[in-house]
Amino acid sequence: AQSVAQPEDQVNVAEGNPLTVKCTYSVSGNPYLFWYVQYPNRGLQFLLKYITGDNLVKGSYGFEAEFNKSQTSFHLKKPSALVSDSALYFCAVRAYYGGSQGNLIFGKGTKLSVKP
Amino acid sequence: DSGVTQTPKHLITATGQRVTLRCSPRSGDLSVYWYQQSLDQGLQFLIQYYNGEERAKGNILERFSAQQFPDLHSELNLSSLELGDSALYFCASSAGTPSSYEQYFGPGTRLTVT
Repeated sequence: AQSVAQPEDQVNVAEGNPLTVKCTYSVSGNPYLFWYVQYPNRGLQFLLKYITGDNLVKGSYGFEAEFNKSQTSFHLKKPSALVSDSALYFCAVRAYYGGSQGNLIFGKGTKLSVKP
Repeated sequence: DSGVTQTPKHLITATGQRVTLRCSPRSGDLSVYWYQQSLDQGLQFLIQYYNGEERAKGNILERFSAQQFPDLHSELNLSSLELGDSALYFCASSAGTPSSYEQYFGPGTRLTVT
């Protein structure tokens, strides 16, 4: 069964410092991985994805993620955090149904707090 | 703005009642997914439709049902509501091609059952 783990409930970072939000996955076969962000009382916004290719994936708002197959990880990173990055971040893996379109399996979410 | 619309934004109803949540996918997207977000269960997949046909089921209760219409909008029907059904319900859509497996989420419908 596919699953995603986000080991940190909360990450606290000072503005201007680099940030990392951790994610590990468990899938059979090649993983399709995603990061989403949720601001209060809003829907989920797509940030970036890894399907294949380069292990470093660049996404929206200056975020990037590093895919590491040996460590089964897909950590979200940003070189310089902004206060406006404070939100709830979800890692997700696409469920595999033998080639058909699959739903997303989400981690529990990590609350990112960026202090001025 | 993701291009996915959901109505209503908020819904307050009593136990035992039935409600219908509506979703319009992004233009051109054939797949619609429904998810439930609650504090204790997190984000849970309920059901997927593709071009009018049910494609996959997740943790959807028998009291819940959905359908996708020829114009591709979808409705999620929740009946015999219980207090525990109070949650945020999201609809998402996807083109589904390998270059665009990402799903785009609507703003959600917040359901409160009293």
